[in-house]
Amino acid sequence: GAVVSQHPSWVICKSGTSVKIECRSLDFQATTMFWYRQFPKQSLMLMATSNEGSKATYEQGVEKDKFLINHASLTLSTLTVTSAHPEDSSFYICSAWTGAQQYFGPGTRLTVT
Amino acid sequence: KQEVTQIPAALSVPEGENLVLNCSFTDSAIYNLQWFRQDPGKGLTSLLLIQSSQREQTSGRLNASLDKSSGRSTLYIAASQPGDSATYLCAVPTGIQETSGSRLTFGEGTQLTVNP
Repeated sequence: GAVVSQHPSWVICKSGTSVKIECRSLDFQATTMFWYRQFPKQSLMLMATSNEGSKATYEQGVEKDKFLINHASLTLSTLTVTSAHPEDSSFYICSAWTGAQQYFGPGTRLTVT
Repeated sequence: KQEVTQIPAALSVPEGENLVLNCSFTDSAIYNLQWFRQDPGKGLTSLLLIQSSQREQTSGRLNASLDKSSGRSTLYIAASQPGDSATYLCAVPTGIQETSGSRLTFGEGTQLTVNP
């Protein structure tokens, strides 16, 4: 089956620094990837749609200058959290669209101290 | 705006019981509905995907039904096992007539615990 990986699986960073999270489709090409955020005991909330070769589309209320998304190839999308603050601590999950179904990555736990 | 609600929020049952998880959505013009499983601190595993033209899908001990007109779906788990303990999420495409490749709106999940 289709496999999506994320790196790192967890990261701790200091407030004010930036952190990059990678999402890769390992055995298929994905023109569209999605980034979700999940706070403890809550469901997944879509942050943005990442399209290969074009700008990402952000959901209402998501700061595009804070959450930078790059989809430079058909197998890789990156999410960079800039100037991270403790309230950005969350579980970030990506998904990749095969053309028929979405497959989700294992998630990245971000803790900002 | 599509909203998805899941009931109950948490459920604890003894091993062997049959159980039903409920999902409701506000906009019935959906393309499909998916059920996912999420283990603590992990990503999502797709369990079942029901197209709008279907009324149910089955996979092993799992059976999902869809009633678009009433905006409801149920996930039936037969003969529950401790390994079924996880959070179960349902999701529908966010926009009207969006395809399965589109953005998803998730319910808040049902946290299931199956006790040995």
